[in-house]
Amino acid sequence: DAKTTQPTSMDCAEGRAANLPCNHSTISGNEYVYWYRQIHSQGPQYIIHGLKNNETNEMASLIITEDRKSSTLILPHATLRDTAVYYCIVRAYSGNTPLVFGKGTRLSVIA
Amino acid sequence: NAGVMQNPRHLVRRRGQEARLRCSPMKGHSHVYWYRQLPEEGLKFMVYLQKENIIDESGMPKERFSAEFPKEGPSILRIQQVVRGDSAAYFCASSPDLGVYEQYFGPGTRLTVT
Repeated sequence: DAKTTQPTSMDCAEGRAANLPCNHSTISGNEYVYWYRQIHSQGPQYIIHGLKNNETNEMASLIITEDRKSSTLILPHATLRDTAVYYCIVRAYSGNTPLVFGKGTRLSVIA
Repeated sequence: NAGVMQNPRHLVRRRGQEARLRCSPMKGHSHVYWYRQLPEEGLKFMVYLQKENIIDESGMPKERFSAEFPKEGPSILRIQQVVRGDSAAYFCASSPDLGVYEQYFGPGTRLTVT
């Protein structure tokens, strides 16, 4: 079972920042937080991952709380193409292991 | 660098037939994962393979399903004697040996059993 809890759905106005929360209160010390998204039944797309420091790449920023029990994915300027289901996944970084997907958050970006 | 390739993209089978789904990982990737997404549900892990070896098949149904990843050629997910409940999207992902453990997904094969 997924070790994360996410809101079922969120709306965001185009051009504004989308902040997607994730609760992972049972995360252990060797586990990372990964984010993937799935746009309309396409294959999931990797977005970002982190351990305890905040991370940023060309797609998004990941803010992890100091106690690591929750995190927020930030899409700084959401566009219509960012409409998708976003999955927050906790995963050990000890090698190649399967991803355990929960139900994710369905983000709708509105013009 | 081509991404993960899956074929066919759409497959229609009658009940009782066999379905073969193929996955070619990204160049340099020797780890392959198969996931299934039933209609209106999330993705579920099925099997993890590394060249010629099955590493983890804990998510694979015990009967009718099998997977292989030969030394040469694509990974194959085989479903024998398909039933309507097998209708789903099947996604393949790959990852490299070292350093980066992100999984890169293919576009999926949509299997419809009539």
